[in-house]
Formats: sequence, structure tokens, C-alpha cells
Amino acid sequence: DIQMTQSPSSVSASVGDRVTITCRASQGISSWLAWYQQKPGKAPKLLIYAASTLQSGVPSRFSGSGSGTDFTLTISSLQPEDFATYYCQQANSVPLTFGGGTKVEIK
Amino acid sequence: EVQLVQSGAEVKKPGESLKISCKGIGYSFTSYWIGWVRQMPGKGPEWMGIIYPGDSDTRYSPSFQGQVTISADKSISTAYLQWSSLKASDSGMYYCARRSAVAEYFDLWGRGSLVTVSS
Repeated sequence: DIQMTQSPSSVSASVGDRVTITCRASQGISSWLAWYQQKPGKAPKLLIYAASTLQSGVPSRFSGSGSGTDFTLTISSLQPEDFATYYCQQANSVPLTFGGGTKVEIK
Repeated sequence: EVQLVQSGAEVKKPGESLKISCKGIGYSFTSYWIGWVRQMPGKGPEWMGIIYPGDSDTRYSPSFQGQVTISADKSISTAYLQWSSLKASDSGMYYCARRSAVAEYFDLWGRGSLVTVSS
């Protein structure tokens, strides 16, 4: 199985801050990577797929980059509604696997 | 509105059987794969398996193969996840999610079905 490791596990930030989350795959996955946002008590929501393609309706302050084994999710200017947990997921091979999550908290 | 509607929370005893459901509404149910994902409290999601309702082609994660059964009834646009003999370790939140048309990403999620197994 491909292991997905996210860092940091949590980050404290203020509204307006730039936030960067990292995801590392245990082997190369080309650009087969997605990012999801999950708020408490809710299902995950697809934000980015193919490492850098924004899902329809997702604000442009979210961006993704990377290929191979190292990926990043960047929120350019954190908004109040962005406080949530973020997960990466590899779509290169089954079993599909997710990272352990990064919780973005209010500073 | 395009959505996946899941069955409600369940409380079961160890050894009991259970079947939870996921109904696709507002889109062509037979044209998209439906996956099942488990999420334990405070943990990342875990992919359990996936089914193509058009022909019931099913794939399982090795971690869940033999532990659960995934099925679908395309006549009522519903996918299922079932257990024949629950264990306490099966307690958790279970989501169904639609695989995107692009690749193995999940672009539509149900609200989740909470399963609690306790004696």
C-alpha cells in the first residue's frame, strides 16, 4: 500500500494568513493526488484533484502543487470558513489511501 | 439536487448483521462508481472498496476483503455495505462517495452512517 504522510498534523493561523500543508507519498504517484476539506460532523469535500486542478466551486485562494512524492496545499489568505481538517488522498493505485490529516486551527 | 442519501445511525451488538445503504439522487447512478470509506474518530479516512452499479463490478481493499460485502441495486439507485457478524472494532462512521468521472477521486459524498457496535 502507498502510505501518505501529512505535515504538520496541526497548524494555528489567523485570518488572512498564508497556510501551507505538505503531503508525502511513500512512492511516486505522478500527479494522482487529491485534497479534501472536512469540517466537524461533516463529510469530506473535494477541493483539488490531479494535484493542482481546482474542483468546481472551490475558491481560488486554494491551490495545489507537486508531483512524484511531494505535494503541497496552499491557502493564500485564510478565511474564517477555512478552519477545518485537510486530507490528501492518492489516486495512483488501489487500495486508495488517505493521509492522517492536518487540522487548521484559529490562532 | 445531486446527492447521496445514506441510511441512519445504527446501534448493534457484536455478532449481529447489518446492511447500510446509499441512494444516489439527481444523476445517472449506473454511470459512476460508488466507494465506501470508513473513518474512525480523529483519524483519516480509509478506503474500503468500490462498486460500479452498472454491472456490479466490485473491488475491495485487502484490509476489508472478506470482512464486508458491497453490493448495489441499480433499479433503485442504491448501494449497500453489509456485515454478517459485527465486531466492536467495526464501530465508526461510514461514508459512501461517488468516484469522479476523471479518476479515483471522490467528488460527491453522503453525510455518513454512524455504526456503533457494543454489548
